Amino acid sequence: GEDVEQSLFLSVREGDSSVINCTYTDSSSTYLYWYKQEPGAGLQLLTYIFSNMDMKQDQRLTVLLNKKDKHLSLRIADTQTGDSAIYFCARQGYGGSQGNLIFGKGTKLSVKP
Amino acid sequence: EAEVAQSPRYKITEKSQAVAFWCDPISGHATLYWYRQILGQGPELLVQFQDESVVDDSQLPKDRFSAERLKGVDSTLKIQPAELGDSAMYLCASAPGRGEYNEQFFGPGTRLTVL
Repeated sequence: GEDVEQSLFLSVREGDSSVINCTYTDSSSTYLYWYKQEPGAGLQLLTYIFSNMDMKQDQRLTVLLNKKDKHLSLRIADTQTGDSAIYFCARQGYGGSQGNLIFGKGTKLSVKP
Repeated sequence: EAEVAQSPRYKITEKSQAVAFWCDPISGHATLYWYRQILGQGPELLVQFQDESVVDDSQLPKDRFSAERLKGVDSTLKIQPAELGDSAMYLCASAPGRGEYNEQFFGPGTRLTVL
């Protein structure tokens, strides 16, 4: 299977919560990341979580990490149409904090008004 | 706010031609990455620099791709000759290159279309 796996599509209504899930195979990464990519643009870091944490909250974003199951999720509260984008889960590759990022294929979030 | 700059933003070329992409990282960032993102996929690393030295180019197709960062600041990625399968978004990222947390900042990318 893929190193980092995500479901490809998610559709929600404006105002609902969105939950994007990610699983990974290598548990040695120190940090795990969520990036957002809007059409034709580069990647924007949304949030990250250190591997010894279970949860991190940042305004409307909540990241949950289950190291035992190698499962990461991103919850967006009160989802807005401006949140429509592709969301990438990523883990740090080899080389510790200097290593490259290994990305999933991305989850396309569509928010309906 | 400091940003990673890339040019050109878009490039259309015919197969067998040579193309070059340029990246200017955030000032003071020691680490520079070139990623390739094929449509519908996540970015994949092509080459990583620490200052002017190549740290990882294991995924760089060296028969046609080359990358340099001569003075440890800006970088150029070249493809010669370009092939149809090279059509993709080429993303440059930079990071401070020190400390335990080393956030990567991405540029807007260069979208390459090979005809």
